[in-house]
Amino acid sequence: AQSVAQPEDQVNVAEGNPLTVKCTYSVSGNPYLFWYVQYPNRGLQFLLKYITGDNLVKGSYGFEAEFNKSQTSFHLKKPSALVSDSALYFCAVRDNAGGFKTIFGAGTRLFVKA
Amino acid sequence: GAVVSQHPSWVICKSGTSVKIECRSLDFQATTMFWYRQFPKQSLMLMATSNEGSKATYEQGVEKDKFLINHASLTLSTLTVTSAHPEDSSFYICSAREGLAGTDTQYFGPGTRLTVL
Repeated sequence: AQSVAQPEDQVNVAEGNPLTVKCTYSVSGNPYLFWYVQYPNRGLQFLLKYITGDNLVKGSYGFEAEFNKSQTSFHLKKPSALVSDSALYFCAVRDNAGGFKTIFGAGTRLFVKA
Repeated sequence: GAVVSQHPSWVICKSGTSVKIECRSLDFQATTMFWYRQFPKQSLMLMATSNEGSKATYEQGVEKDKFLINHASLTLSTLTVTSAHPEDSSFYICSAREGLAGTDTQYFGPGTRLTVL
């Protein structure tokens, strides 16, 4: 069965510092991995996805994520955090052998302090 | 990028009434639409998957007679919460899939906040 774990409920970082939001996954086949961001009372906005190829994926708003197959991780990163990055971040996984069902992690709240 | 809209953005209703929420893909045809429910400070829970012109597939534990889904066209899906009760109060989010490949991205609507009094 597919699963996604986001081990941190909350991440605090100072503006200008690098940020990392962690995600690990479990699928039976090859994974398709996604990151979404949610602002208060809004739906999810797509940030980036990994399907195949280069392990470092670049996405919207300066975010990037690194796929690590041996550690089954897909951590979200940004070199320099902005206060406006404060939001709820969801990691999601889809098993390429399991149809289109996508499983979402519990979410990590990111606080960026000025 | 692809845009998905939802209407209304929020609704307050009395217990026992029915509420309809619309989900539209604005600049693409959605082969599949999904309905999620999100409780405060929790992740998204998939309620059902709908394909245009066919019956929706409901996840285990979701009452299909209570949450009626109609996928009338490739750009419109509706969720009707029938005989709503306070425990149905939640944030409902729809999502649409653009293509037919397993690698497709899901695009999400802005959500609808339902409050049942």
